[in-house]
Amino acid sequence: EAGVTQFPSHSVIEKGQTVTLRCDPISGHDNLYWYRRVMGKEIKFLLHFVKESKQDESGMPNNRFLAERTGGTYSTLKVQPAELEDSGVYFCASSTLGETQYFGPGTRLLVL
Amino acid sequence: AQSVSQHNHHVILSEAASLELGCNYSYGGTVNLFWYVQYPGQHLQLLLKYFSGDPLVKGIKGFEAEFIKSKFSFNLRKPSVQWSDTAEYFCAGNDMRFGAGTRLTVKP
Repeated sequence: EAGVTQFPSHSVIEKGQTVTLRCDPISGHDNLYWYRRVMGKEIKFLLHFVKESKQDESGMPNNRFLAERTGGTYSTLKVQPAELEDSGVYFCASSTLGETQYFGPGTRLLVL
Repeated sequence: AQSVSQHNHHVILSEAASLELGCNYSYGGTVNLFWYVQYPGQHLQLLLKYFSGDPLVKGIKGFEAEFIKSKFSFNLRKPSVQWSDTAEYFCAGNDMRFGAGTRLTVKP
């Protein structure tokens, strides 16, 4: 069974540009989560999808971040325009209801 | 808001030493708690979880954790660490909010 995959693995962009991160959950997992970790700090929850609906988006930093999960399969997280403080590792995880989350490898984003 | 906290930021041990990493939660109601580990260059993976029942939970690789309701704690333990346990350890609660993480370095 394929695990959670994320694309790209790394992204280096300039301040003001747009970046779109993608997460493919494990097939059949209705729950999908996005997290961010800034260098050396805690893993911060961003949002939680159940199928295509946003269950909890209380962790989204501001309106420069837009997450979608059309069709309840893969999800994208767009940052527009990117700022320096958006740099970090963006993790995605998926699960079935009430069960263990499986994490992807993360996308390392560097905004210069 | 539900939250968990980890107070040890970096722990350095010699091989064969015993390990205990602290995790405290600050919410009521249904309490589900998790410990995750991230080995260098690898994904976050689940070590163990507590949903209900026996408060002493056994996980992979010889780890265990004890849920103590009166202390709002869910500390991770291992009787004898190995060099391969060098990693970062995260506690998480119901809402999958994570603690700050504890970096464990085991000296050979």
